[in-house]
Amino acid sequence: DGGITQSPKYLFRKEGQNVTLSCEQNLNHDAMYWYRQDPGQGLRLIYYSQIVNDFQKGDIAEGYSVSREKKESFPLTVTSAQKNPTAFYLCASSPRARYNEQFFGPGTRLTVL
Amino acid sequence: GQQLNQSPQSMFIQEGEDVSMNCTSSSIFNTWLWYKQEPGEGPVLLIALYKAGELTSNGRLTAQFGITRKDSFLNISASIPSDVGIYFCAGQIQGAQKLVFGQGTRLTINP
Repeated sequence: DGGITQSPKYLFRKEGQNVTLSCEQNLNHDAMYWYRQDPGQGLRLIYYSQIVNDFQKGDIAEGYSVSREKKESFPLTVTSAQKNPTAFYLCASSPRARYNEQFFGPGTRLTVL
Repeated sequence: GQQLNQSPQSMFIQEGEDVSMNCTSSSIFNTWLWYKQEPGEGPVLLIALYKAGELTSNGRLTAQFGITRKDSFLNISASIPSDVGIYFCAGQIQGAQKLVFGQGTRLTINP
């Protein structure tokens, strides 16, 4: 089946550790996105990539890093510089022809202890 | 960043009732989208709108792209228990590359 996978579903880390969240899509979509969602809040854009080997900062990029070495993969690293990393992280992708129609993965809930 | 004002924040209704929610902004939008999110899951795209005045249906759901291009509406007719969730609007502001999201409307249905 085509879709977006994020792993793991739940992730626990100690404060001060970097952690990488996985996002893979087999939809052949060109664009990929990372959002953060906090309780009772809308989605805030962290980073996005419209093409392989290129990405742009979103509204809340500080403390995060990404890479886009392959079309189907867009991992997000939450660094120790991120002051409040505990959140629900959502990855999305969209096709070039309809880049606004973003399709979301199931999310990863990160808890930093 | 740019904010979308989505209302109401929450709704408590009886099964079978119709539901209406909306999003407004001071900016002009090229695209409006409506998503539904269930607890612990990613949002699912329900309807995408691309033209001012456009009215699009997806089953019992109907969404409209406001004529002023600054608002959008979502209606759900004859609600059923599986409609429970959080509904988000999202839009692309004219001249921008990114989507902005509303704060969500939490729908609760009493059977």
